[in-house]
Amino acid sequence: RKEVEQDPGPFNVPEGATVAFNCTYSNSASQSFFWYRQDCRKEPKLLMSVYSSGNEDGRFTAQLNRASQYISLLIRDSKLSDSATYLCVVNNRANGGSQGNLIFGKGTKLSVKP
Amino acid sequence: NAGVTQTPKFRVLKTGQSMTLLCAQDMNHEYMYWYRQDPGMGLRLIHYSVGEGTTAKGEVPDGYNVSRLKKQNFLLGLESAAPSQTSVYFCASSVAGTGRLAGIRFIYEQYFGPGTRLTVT
Repeated sequence: RKEVEQDPGPFNVPEGATVAFNCTYSNSASQSFFWYRQDCRKEPKLLMSVYSSGNEDGRFTAQLNRASQYISLLIRDSKLSDSATYLCVVNNRANGGSQGNLIFGKGTKLSVKP
Repeated sequence: NAGVTQTPKFRVLKTGQSMTLLCAQDMNHEYMYWYRQDPGMGLRLIHYSVGEGTTAKGEVPDGYNVSRLKKQNFLLGLESAAPSQTSVYFCASSVAGTGRLAGIRFIYEQYFGPGTRLTVT
């Protein structure tokens, strides 16, 4: 099983749609989880850190299921500007103490159409 | 604050040439990282540093060397470039250590530079 797996997409959705991305991770000891957004030919930027069972930030909701080793990102009321690649990021150290062990998924591409 | 900056933005090298990529951050972050990103491969860690004067190998260190002589700078060197090193290189930095929220320890997010597009012919 790969360390962090994501559906590469692309997800093509109309404006206003709700879309969900899933991510699975292999290390049950992981304790830090993030969603990053990467626009074409740009650097990744933090979208959300995922805490405990999940959290919400405006139209974005991240969920964490430790038992199933599964993270999701839900985007409601999609905007054209949400078009990007979304990277699932997980650390693979039990104590989270080593910063050198963030594992990035390959990303899920989202395209929001008018 | 400029955040994380990288120079150069683009570079074309011939096989066997050497070059140094410079990363600078003005956020007083202890930790710094070099990644490469290739199509279909995602981001892969090359080397990282947890403080001035210290470096460590990441997932794909071969063919690269790094130095962290000043806290704000992290240099990535290619001694003898190969076509397999054609890639987009990202530098990142982060706060040191871990935090704790609701009893769970977590590590801090990384902030990325704009990237360097390197082509080796």
